[in-house]
Amino acid sequence: AQSVTQLDSQVPVFEEAPVELRCNYSSSVSVYLFWYVQYPNQGLQLLLKYLSGSTLVKGINGFEAEFNKSQTSFHLRKPSVHISDTAEYFCAVRSNDYKLSFGAGTTVTVRA
Amino acid sequence: EAGVTQSPTHLIKTRGQQATLRCSPISGHTSVYWYQQALGLGLQFLLWYDEGEERNRGNFPPRFSGRQFPNYSSELNVNALELEDSALYLCASSGDRESSYNEQFFGPGTRLTVL
Repeated sequence: AQSVTQLDSQVPVFEEAPVELRCNYSSSVSVYLFWYVQYPNQGLQLLLKYLSGSTLVKGINGFEAEFNKSQTSFHLRKPSVHISDTAEYFCAVRSNDYKLSFGAGTTVTVRA
Repeated sequence: EAGVTQSPTHLIKTRGQQATLRCSPISGHTSVYWYQQALGLGLQFLLWYDEGEERNRGNFPPRFSGRQFPNYSSELNVNALELEDSALYLCASSGDRESSYNEQFFGPGTRLTVL
């Protein structure tokens, strides 16, 4: 069974500063990893995904993530955040039965 | 292209009642997934329907049920509502096995409040 751990529940960050959101997973089989963002009172929007191939994945809105198999990590980064990046971010792993298992989420608050 | 749509946006029920939530997938998608996002419990997988069949079920009691219609839209039914069923219910869809089966596209959710 897969599980996902997001190591930070809250991340305050100043505008134009970099941010990194940490995600570790456990899986005994091939992994498909995702980062989703949830803006207040909205559903989930896919930021990026790792299915195979290059371990550095680029997503929308300037986000990228690096898959590290040896450390079972899939950390999300953005070099310079905007106020509009204030949201909750979820790391997820897809199992062979196609369901997504989500981490508990990281709330990012960007301050001017 | 229209995204995943859910109705209603908000639903208020009392304990013991039944709730019905609806989801329309992206055109061409055959799989529908339901997730519960309850305060303090995070996002939890509820049900997966594909081609009209229930393919997988999360760790929820039988009073959570659903179905998928021939047009691939789906209904989630929650019977004998309890206070702890109050949550945002998210529906997602994905494409056929040969294409974008890996990516799930989410709708805006239905906020269910049980009083």
